[in-house]
Amino acid sequence: DAKTTQPPSMDCAEGRAANLPCNHSTISGNEYVYWYRQIHSQGPQYIIHGLKNNETNEMASLIITEDRKSSTLILPHATLRDTAVYYCIVRFNDYKLSFGAGTTVTVRA
Amino acid sequence: GAVVSQHPSRVICKSGTSVKIECRSLDFQATTMFWYRQFPKQSLMLMATSNEGSKATYEQGVEKDKFLINHASLTLSTLTVTSAHPEDSSFYICSARVPGVTPYGYTFGSGTRLTVV
Repeated sequence: DAKTTQPPSMDCAEGRAANLPCNHSTISGNEYVYWYRQIHSQGPQYIIHGLKNNETNEMASLIITEDRKSSTLILPHATLRDTAVYYCIVRFNDYKLSFGAGTTVTVRA
Repeated sequence: GAVVSQHPSRVICKSGTSVKIECRSLDFQATTMFWYRQFPKQSLMLMATSNEGSKATYEQGVEKDKFLINHASLTLSTLTVTSAHPEDSSFYICSARVPGVTPYGYTFGSGTRLTVV
């Protein structure tokens, strides 16, 4: 699986958009980009995934660059409950999810 | 839909005893489940993959005789930590592959906090 690089931490203000970057420069053509988050002492929660096109759901938007070497997860209106560790994962449509260090996002009032 | 129930949520056991953790898929059949371990302030580390009706596949460095995995039905996988020691204290999380979606979706249990004293 392609390796991902995320900033270790970031702060954002409640009510503002949070933009979480992820670099995956070695991604191959049929690898998907997944985002999960983990709130303290809970299991990971699926957020969104994409292959080439930008995606949006009720939780977030995923912007994938044209060369697919990086992506950005956008939380449009961050709330205090969005404080969590966010994981960007790149993988084939295979069967294993491998987690990196992720980005610890702290939403401040 | 696609809910995985993990039990117990926390357990304290004495050193040398065994502990069983259950992971159930409530509204779907899970042919493949995964077990992760997470130490404080660290990321999730995949321990093993269990397939219904066959032996689990363990990641490198994970002792199969210490972490017994059984996936006897399409809705239940269990992880037994045998002869637990304080260094086995950790947060254990199960996950199941959700069928019928492409690419594969994965749903996670809420985790089990194991403390060995």
